[in-house]
Amino acid sequence: SQQGEEDPQALSIQEGENATMNCSYKTSINNLQWYRQNSGRGLVHLILIRSNEREKHSGRLRVTLDTSKKSSSLLITASRAADTASYFCATDARAGGTSYGKLTFGQGTILTVHP
Amino acid sequence: NAGVTQTPKFQVLKTGQSMTLQCAQDMNHEYMSWYRQDPGMGLRLIHYSVGAGITDQGEVPNGYNVSRSTTEDFPLRLLSAAPSQTSVYFCASSYSIWLAGISGANVLTFGAGSRLTVL
Repeated sequence: SQQGEEDPQALSIQEGENATMNCSYKTSINNLQWYRQNSGRGLVHLILIRSNEREKHSGRLRVTLDTSKKSSSLLITASRAADTASYFCATDARAGGTSYGKLTFGQGTILTVHP
Repeated sequence: NAGVTQTPKFQVLKTGQSMTLQCAQDMNHEYMSWYRQDPGMGLRLIHYSVGAGITDQGEVPNGYNVSRSTTEDFPLRLLSAAPSQTSVYFCASSYSIWLAGISGANVLTFGAGSRLTVL
């Protein structure tokens, strides 16, 4: 079963606008990650936020995590056409030790940024 | 540094045929995994390995077999292909990052994917 549920399923914006994607999950997590997938390619890691963090920034990316609501959001500021891709959240639910790379992925949000 | 290499990129099989998807990584990562991606389903874990000689099942293991004889290679075998196995398959590798205040996190490095169609 899928741990993460993402919304919206698809998002279409103009260049320069901000894009916000949301992810909800069901169980306690060790950390939550966001990945990007360009059409026909593999997934690429964007950012990781630990369960004891509330917000994290990386360039134009801002991720928030609310463990009480079991939700996260990814904000891409000043979007560019090159940001067009699918974005996935992935949860690492291992309580201790390591997850051995076993992440649970959401269904993803398809982002289209129009020039 | 090639990262994670998957072959073939595309494959068409007939129902009942068997085949092996190859995966190799050159980053000396401990952990390797296979995921399948289907429309609207995200990625689902098929099998994973925590080191040479050690494998375990993921969420959707039926119809697939894996082995890991070396750190570098983690092939996925389809024993008797079925149309339900039509999908895009991704191999990933990772190692544990021990972050201050939290236990080992794993960031996955993915291959480019193998698109399999079973007729």
